[in-house]
Amino acid sequence: DTGVSQNPRHKITKRGQNVTFRCDPISEHNRLYWYRQTLGQGPEFLTYFQNEAQLEKSRLLSDRFSAERPKGSFSTLEIQRTEQGDSAMYLCASSWSGAQNEQFFGPGTRLTVL
Amino acid sequence: AQTVTQSQPEMSVQEAETVTLSCTYDTSESDYYLFWYKQPPSRQMILVIRQEAYKQQNATENRFSVNFQKAAKSFSLKISDSQLGDAAMYFCAYREDSNYQLIWGAGTKLIIKP
Repeated sequence: DTGVSQNPRHKITKRGQNVTFRCDPISEHNRLYWYRQTLGQGPEFLTYFQNEAQLEKSRLLSDRFSAERPKGSFSTLEIQRTEQGDSAMYLCASSWSGAQNEQFFGPGTRLTVL
Repeated sequence: AQTVTQSQPEMSVQEAETVTLSCTYDTSESDYYLFWYKQPPSRQMILVIRQEAYKQQNATENRFSVNFQKAAKSFSLKISDSQLGDAAMYFCAYREDSNYQLIWGAGTKLIIKP
């Protein structure tokens, strides 16, 4: 296993379009996290899953955002009716459950909304 | 609400010298974890070092060590014998013992001068 993977790495879209990103975690990990990082800032938490259950969502995750993790494996993050303010790097991380376990990050998907 | 502050947007150090990056945080919790992550230009976050709040001993990982001052809510990272490969954005992050979302500082850009 080579780590957390994310696809696509880059996405350019026009305002108002829908986009979907995919994250494949490290296979043994049961927790999966999504973060958003804008240029020059630290990441901001969006949501996380334990297995297929979405356990927490940030207030940043508006109604236009939805995340799923069917079967507790890969996850998708969909943004509907994209806005220019959605332009950011979307990071995925995975970990074992347990307070001490490290989150391993993927390379991110950079979204540009024109 | 918990916050993490990195007051140095950019630091530079001569190769082979030592540099210290600062981080302060605000929390009313007693059990938590603190992290330093490195994000090289390729943008994948890598964990550098971790500190459990209940541990009095400062964490060390090879050339990387922390100065954890719980009462002062300070968590600085010292990099000894700086190498060109240390050039990156460094983020300080906080997590409660019972909550898995990471709260991040804005980052410090570390420049290594050859």
